[in-house]
Amino acid sequence: SQTIHQWPATLVQPVGSPLSLECTVEGTSNPNLYWYRQAAGRGLQLLFYSVGIGQISSEVPQNLSASRPQDRQFILSSKKLLLSDSGFYLCAWDRGLLNTEAFFGQGTRLTVV
Amino acid sequence: SQQGEEDPQALSIQEGENATMNCSYKTSINNLQWYRQNSGRGLVHLILIRSNEREKHSGRLRVTLDTSKKSSSLLITASRAADTASYFCATVLRRGSNYKLTFGKGTLLTVNP
Repeated sequence: SQTIHQWPATLVQPVGSPLSLECTVEGTSNPNLYWYRQAAGRGLQLLFYSVGIGQISSEVPQNLSASRPQDRQFILSSKKLLLSDSGFYLCAWDRGLLNTEAFFGQGTRLTVV
Repeated sequence: SQQGEEDPQALSIQEGENATMNCSYKTSINNLQWYRQNSGRGLVHLILIRSNEREKHSGRLRVTLDTSKKSSSLLITASRAADTASYFCATVLRRGSNYKLTFGKGTLLTVNP
């Protein structure tokens, strides 16, 4: 069966520090991978999505970047965090096919102080 | 930009009542999906309706899709306190040969015991 792992669950980082959130998927190959951010009480904002290794599409200009060094690994990074980077970050995957569902990790609560 | 917009933003009902949430979208879609999110957790897929379908059932859930009005509704019958969560619609947009999943802002449903 397929599983998705996202870590850490919570993170408190000072302004200006770097960030690295990791997401891995098991049990499938060549998934679409997604990073979403959810501000408190708000909807999901799509940050990045990837249809293959090294292929990253950015949805919004921001202080973050994403990489996909392996087929089932998706990393969200920042060189210098801003206060506005605080939020709930969710990784997800789907099969990149029509009429299939997406599967989500449990999320990372990032607080920049 | 957000593709789906849920309405209402928040809904509070009593246990046993039905809950109806609506979603509107802007562009043509391949399918529309509904997800549920418990507070501070990842999203869980509930149901998918294809663009050529008008209604779909799954247990206490009923989803309708009106592509002429670019809208969908999610009905939860005989609600329970455990149904308390945020509900999101998501649309699949085609990008070349691949597909991207975009979410609305969600409806926060509170079911009072």
